Amino acid sequence: EAGVVQSPRYKIIEKKQPVAFWCNPISGHNTLYWYLQNLGQGPELLIRYENEEAVDDSQLPKDRFSAERLKGVDSTLKIQPAELGDSAVYLCASSSLNNNEQFFGPGTRLTVL
Amino acid sequence: AQRVTQPEKLLSVFKGAPVELKCNYSYSGSPELFWYVQYSRQRLQLLLRHISRESIKGFTADLNKGETSFHLKKPFAQEEDSAMYYCALRTAVNKLTFGGGTRVLVKP
Repeated sequence: EAGVVQSPRYKIIEKKQPVAFWCNPISGHNTLYWYLQNLGQGPELLIRYENEEAVDDSQLPKDRFSAERLKGVDSTLKIQPAELGDSAVYLCASSSLNNNEQFFGPGTRLTVL
Repeated sequence: AQRVTQPEKLLSVFKGAPVELKCNYSYSGSPELFWYVQYSRQRLQLLLRHISRESIKGFTADLNKGETSFHLKKPFAQEEDSAMYYCALRTAVNKLTFGGGTRVLVKP
């Protein structure tokens, strides 16, 4: 099994440009998470989905960040416009209802120039 | 508010020496603690959880509610233990708060 899949793995953009990240969770996992990991820090939750519903987006900067999980499977996270401070690793994770262990993807490393 | 503190950014030990990674938490409810590990060029993965009371790869961790700690220990470190270790606190259904991480370097 491939586990959680994320793309792209790396992205370099100039500030003020838009960027999007894609995540495909483990098959059958209802819960999907997007985390932000700054250099030298632990992951911080941005948004959590239960199926297609965003049940916790309190830490998502809604002025420039948006996310969707339209069919309750894969998800996209978008930043528009990107700022220098958005340079970080964006992690996606998923878990099943019966097991709260979160399985992480490899992450997308974003560099904003 | 919940918080997880890992005071050591880097721990450097020699192979065969004991290693202890400190983790302290702040939470008013009933805590559930985890240790996650990230080896070089690999994804973040669960190492162990306190409710399982198990030893994984020789590592153990005991939840001390009085001291609000969940330190990770291994009596004899191996070179393959070199990695980033993150302590995490579960405060609500499927919500994790992570510490800042500790890099362990095991020297030959």
